[in-house]
Amino acid sequence: NAGVTQTPKFQVLKTGQSMTLQCAQDMNHEYMSWYRQDPGMGLRLIHYSVGAGITDQGEVPNGYNVSRSTTEDFPLRLLSAAPSQTSVYFCASSYFPRTAREKLFFGSGTQLSVL
Amino acid sequence: KNEVEQSPQNLTAQEGEFITINCSYSVGISALHWLQQHPGGGIVSLFMLSSGKKKHGRLIATINIQEKHSSLHITASHPRDSAVYICAVGGATNKLIFGTGTLLAVQP
Repeated sequence: NAGVTQTPKFQVLKTGQSMTLQCAQDMNHEYMSWYRQDPGMGLRLIHYSVGAGITDQGEVPNGYNVSRSTTEDFPLRLLSAAPSQTSVYFCASSYFPRTAREKLFFGSGTQLSVL
Repeated sequence: KNEVEQSPQNLTAQEGEFITINCSYSVGISALHWLQQHPGGGIVSLFMLSSGKKKHGRLIATINIQEKHSSLHITASHPRDSAVYICAVGGATNKLIFGTGTLLAVQP
């Protein structure tokens, strides 16, 4: 099993550009989520999904869109990139329900710089 | 005040030393997670615990629900243990709250 596959690993954008971060998992996990990691701060939840067709906002959703058309894929879209979105992004998945008590599997991360 | 506090923020140890990293939280939880992040690397789940103690190799995690405190211990530390260790707590919702991490450097 590949686990959680996240692409790209690095990306540089100009302000105003759009892009999609890809996340796929092959463990049949219902729960998938996106986090951003900034210096001096804990991981913060952007959006999450508890199954195909179901998404919800996390702590810092502004400027990001998600969709969940299949169990396997959960892409994160930046509609109009801003320098404040410079960060390291992680996708994660786990079983659902009782997600808090399930092991969380992370992708390898995407380092995004917005100039 | 953050809902999840880790201490210390930075820790330098000599190879072979016994290491303790602490995590205190202020919210009701159903489980606590310990994660490991190597420099430039991804994040790996080490433990999920809701009571008592768990052990895996040289790593031991304990939790005291009444005191809202957990510790991660590393016995016979090794330079390959150098990483950021992250504590996260989960309650009744599907969302975890993460600490800011403890940066551990083990020198040979």
